[in-house]
Amino acid sequence: AQTVTQSQPEMSVQEAETVTLSCTYDTSENNYYLFWYKQPPSRQMILVIRQEAYKQQNATENRFSVNFQKAAKSFSLKISDSQLGDTAMYFCAFMKLGSNTGKLIFGQGTTLQVKP
Amino acid sequence: SQTIHQWPATLVQPVGSPLSLECTVEGTSNPNLYWYRQAAGRGLQLLFYSVGIGQISSEVPQNLSASRPQDRQFILSSKKLLLSDSGFYLCAGGGTGNPEAFFGQGTRLTVV
Repeated sequence: AQTVTQSQPEMSVQEAETVTLSCTYDTSENNYYLFWYKQPPSRQMILVIRQEAYKQQNATENRFSVNFQKAAKSFSLKISDSQLGDTAMYFCAFMKLGSNTGKLIFGQGTTLQVKP
Repeated sequence: SQTIHQWPATLVQPVGSPLSLECTVEGTSNPNLYWYRQAAGRGLQLLFYSVGIGQISSEVPQNLSASRPQDRQFILSSKKLLLSDSGFYLCAGGGTGNPEAFFGQGTRLTVV
C-alpha cells in the first residue's frame, strides 16, 4: 500500500520570502503522479502543481516548484516570493497510474501561515 | 470545464438521524467519483469510489454507504449517524483525460 508523509504540521514564512514544504512517500509502483494541493480557509481544494514520475525534470508553476527525488521518494514544494494569499493548508498526494485516475492518497497536510 | 456541485455546504444533524449528501458532475461524462472525509486538522481519507453506475468500492469499514444511481450523481448516506461521523466531506472526480482530480466545495457535517 502507498503512504504519504508530511512531517511538518505547521510552518510560517515572512511575506516575500521562500519556504519549502516536505513530503515523502512510499510505493512499489514505478508509474505514478504526485501532486500538491492547496486548501485555503474556504476549504476548496486547489491543484498547485503536479509531477509525473517518469519525468526527471522538476515541475514548476510560476512561484511554485518541486524538488522530485524519485530514488529517495521525496517530493518537496518550494514557494518563492510568498504572498499573503498563499496562507493555506497544503497537501501532498500520490496517485497510481491506471483505471482509478483521481484516486489520491493524501499526506496529513502542512498548515502554512504567511506573515506580513 | 469539469465542475462538481456538492450540497449542502454545512449540516448539523443529531446522533441517530439519517444522512444523504449529494454530489453531481458537470462538463464531463463517465467520470471516476470519490468521497473523501477530512477530520479536523487532518488529511483526507478516501471513503468510497465509483468507476461507473452502480459500481461502488469501499476503502474503509464504517457507518456510511455510497451509491451512484446515475453517471454524474454520487450519494453518500447513513441510516444512523454517529458522533464520529462529524467532519468535512469532499466529493471528487477524475479519469476524464487529466490526471488530477477535481473537487467539490465540500460539506461540513457536525453530528450533535
